[in-house]
Amino acid sequence: DTGVSQNPRHKITKRGQNVTFRCDPISEHNRLYWYRQTLGQGPEFLTYFQNEAQLEKSRLLSDRFSAERPKGSFSTLEIQRTEQGDSAMYLCASRGGMTDTQYFGPGTRLTVL
Amino acid sequence: EDQVTQSPEALRLQEGESSSLNCSYTVSGLRGLFWYRQDPGKGPEFLFTLYSAGEEKEKERLKATLTKKESFLHITAPKPEDSATYLCAVQTLGGKLIFGQGTTLQVKP
Repeated sequence: DTGVSQNPRHKITKRGQNVTFRCDPISEHNRLYWYRQTLGQGPEFLTYFQNEAQLEKSRLLSDRFSAERPKGSFSTLEIQRTEQGDSAMYLCASRGGMTDTQYFGPGTRLTVL
Repeated sequence: EDQVTQSPEALRLQEGESSSLNCSYTVSGLRGLFWYRQDPGKGPEFLFTLYSAGEEKEKERLKATLTKKESFLHITAPKPEDSATYLCAVQTLGGKLIFGQGTTLQVKP
């Protein structure tokens, strides 16, 4: 069990550019969650997948954000036309079918200049 | 509206000085209350899950307790390596976690 991995760990981009983050969950975990965390705050829920189905999206997830989980394995989160307000830590978590515990990855730190 | 509030926002302790962190919550349909530890620049690390009032869990110098409206994380004789941000979260019926803003603990030697 290698834990949840996220890539890249850091991303610096210019306003208006598109960025994509990847999350690899713990193997055989069928549930995958994306959260966003700004400095001094707790993580905020963005979206949730069970297998390949996206079951819930937060109001925080504007039209510029899209997430996918093809084949129910890894997931990607894309932000189009980035804005300075998108600067945050993007966290991914996975959860197996027999437990309520979500295990988090190390996060991707996004800085929009 | 589902909500989690943690207090204090920051806590400074001397090594060996015991204290408690508070997590108050309002949620419709609690599926569990979670405590995580987060070090700077890293993802949250799972500590405990509590499900029902009166439940207690312990791990080394940490003990988590739960009532119908709040949870406490008790830290006994803390060491400098316990310095971190401690996050409390509730799981809703849909499975997502709602977090408090965290308590940043600093333990001085």
